[in-house]
Amino acid sequence: GAVVSQHPSWVICKSGTSVKIECRSLDFQATTMFWYRQFPKQSLMLMATSNEGSKATYEQGVEKDKFLINHASLTLSTLTVTSAHPEDSSFYICSARGTSDHEQYFGPGTRLTVT
Amino acid sequence: GQNIDQPTEMTATEGAIVQINCTYQTSGFNGLFWYQQHAGEAPTFLSYNVLDGLEEKGRFSSFLSRSKGYSYLLLKELQMKDSASYLCAVVNSNYQLIWGAGTKLIIKP
Repeated sequence: GAVVSQHPSWVICKSGTSVKIECRSLDFQATTMFWYRQFPKQSLMLMATSNEGSKATYEQGVEKDKFLINHASLTLSTLTVTSAHPEDSSFYICSARGTSDHEQYFGPGTRLTVT
Repeated sequence: GQNIDQPTEMTATEGAIVQINCTYQTSGFNGLFWYQQHAGEAPTFLSYNVLDGLEEKGRFSSFLSRSKGYSYLLLKELQMKDSASYLCAVVNSNYQLIWGAGTKLIIKP
């Protein structure tokens, strides 16, 4: 089946620093990747949708200059949280969709803690 | 607007059957997903319905009625490991995935 990996699985960083999270589709080409954020006991919140080779489409209320998304290849997308603050602490999950189906395959998530 | 409604929380007994309902109003319809999510983990795929009717897969079944904008997930022979959140998501006409808030299922022995 389709496998999506994320790295790192968890990260602790200091306030003001930047953190990069990688999302890779291991055995298929992901034309579209999605980045979600999930706070404790809440549902997934879509942050942005990225298509390979083009700029990401951000959801309303998500700062594109703070959450930088790069989808440079069909198997890799990165999310960089710039100038992180404690309120950015959350569970970040990516998902990827291939060309032939509607299903989104989820990565295992990255837990970010900003101190 | 677009919205997905599902109960916030349900409780059931080990060995029993539980039905989790989902109603939706979206701009177009291109299928409905059910995902399972354990606390602290990413969602995992359970089912996909695009045509009316019941799809059975082991202990889990999913039903869809497009005319009613309604789906349910049926879990049989409940096990403690089924305690999780169950997320309903609809693919709209723009092929965007619209997510419900999830139903937290608590299984009691």
